[in-house]
Amino acid sequence: NAGVTQTPKFRVLKTGQSMTLLCAQDMNHEYMYWYRQDPGMGLRLIHYSVGEGTTAKGEVPDGYNVSRLKKQNFLLGLESAAPSQTSVYFCASSRTSGIVTGELFFGEGSRLTVL
Amino acid sequence: GQNIDQPTEMTATEGAIVQINCTYQTSGFNGLFWYQQHAGEAPTFLSYNVLDGLEEKGRFSSFLSRSKGYSYLLLKELQMKDSASYLCAVMDSNYQLIWGAGTKLIIKP
Repeated sequence: NAGVTQTPKFRVLKTGQSMTLLCAQDMNHEYMYWYRQDPGMGLRLIHYSVGEGTTAKGEVPDGYNVSRLKKQNFLLGLESAAPSQTSVYFCASSRTSGIVTGELFFGEGSRLTVL
Repeated sequence: GQNIDQPTEMTATEGAIVQINCTYQTSGFNGLFWYQQHAGEAPTFLSYNVLDGLEEKGRFSSFLSRSKGYSYLLLKELQMKDSASYLCAVMDSNYQLIWGAGTKLIIKP
């Protein structure tokens, strides 16, 4: 019963390096999201996808790119990491559009540190 | 702007009752959600309110007043495992979730 799986769980980068976070869900959900969580702040939406092949910007998209080539996978890329991107990243999915999308299923999180 | 306010931290005693408040100002309203997040773990869905009133689910209840922009999460018969952060989130008119910073609940024996 995997649900939403994120890899890697931990990563340390140097400023300017690039990396990709992978999110996979096995619940056949249409909607997928990438959030970041920082101390003292609410979850902030980076990018989201409403279906295979689609992506959209969230509240804080700068410095990140995403792709949704397959329905079950949602990738988050950092092209040139900056210390301000040190955070815990959560991937989430939800069933469909409208109010039910508020019930999100989260991955375990990926803790990223940029030195 | 859109804003969700909830207390940063609360302390309660095992076996007691605690109420965590959430006030919101958002562009439209399509429901209010409560999530629980244990330290170092992912948030998990607790409850959902879209109409005024109280929704009860076991030891947890959630209340909503849309006219006041106010909700609370009520936890009864507190257990040590209830020590966690509780996140309030509102779905706005674009069906986007706006999140509060969370309330860290500390349970003391």
